[in-house]
Amino acid sequence: EVQLVESGGGLVQTGGSQRLSCVASGFTFSNYWMSWVRQAPGKGLEWVANIKQDGSEKYYVDSVKGRFTISRDNAKNSLYLQMNSLRAEDTAVYYCVTNGDYNFAYWGQGTLVTVSS
Amino acid sequence: QSALTQPRSVSGSPGQSVTISCIGTSSDVGGYNYVSWYQQHPGKAPKLMIYDVTKRPSGVPDRFSGSKSGNTASLTISGLQAEDEADYYCCSYAGRYTHFVFGTGTKVTVL
Repeated sequence: EVQLVESGGGLVQTGGSQRLSCVASGFTFSNYWMSWVRQAPGKGLEWVANIKQDGSEKYYVDSVKGRFTISRDNAKNSLYLQMNSLRAEDTAVYYCVTNGDYNFAYWGQGTLVTVSS
Repeated sequence: QSALTQPRSVSGSPGQSVTISCIGTSSDVGGYNYVSWYQQHPGKAPKLMIYDVTKRPSGVPDRFSGSKSGNTASLTISGLQAEDEADYYCCSYAGRYTHFVFGTGTKVTVL
């Protein structure tokens, strides 16, 4: 059974940093692109970033470029999102998602990040 | 990159069919056959329902079908059931640098 378990969410001050983690199991993690997708409270889904199987390619939505960094550790079956210079508009549930073949097949339960002054 | 445009809500009675549109541009929906659809119940993670415009993952009922014409993709739910009441989002690949764009979301209500 595929499982994606996120952690690291919480309350952070405006301008602060937070690191999200996602541990994967039930599939060969190193074979998949992976993404982070977020959802602000009561709002729609937004793709945030993705990373190639070997970490050699990374892409971001414009609103987080220069502030967020996606990374992975295939030996630990883990995906990360380092978020710096956080803004109120970054408040959202962040989902760790498999990103194979141009779709998002498996989703974690999400972790809530709240940015407040 | 702007979000794809979906109707805010659609509704139907049990057994009826409903169709959700997803309007994009030639840079996303119209440019690639990589449209996917997601169902999200309140408080839950989204679930993949359709991928590559028309394909259904294993376990998704054949009541769900997808199509595309030009810059508009559509999801049709036939034989509407109570458990289909949820939010639905389309998503399209949008090229090497933009990568993915989601739709605005549609709430499906079963009357």
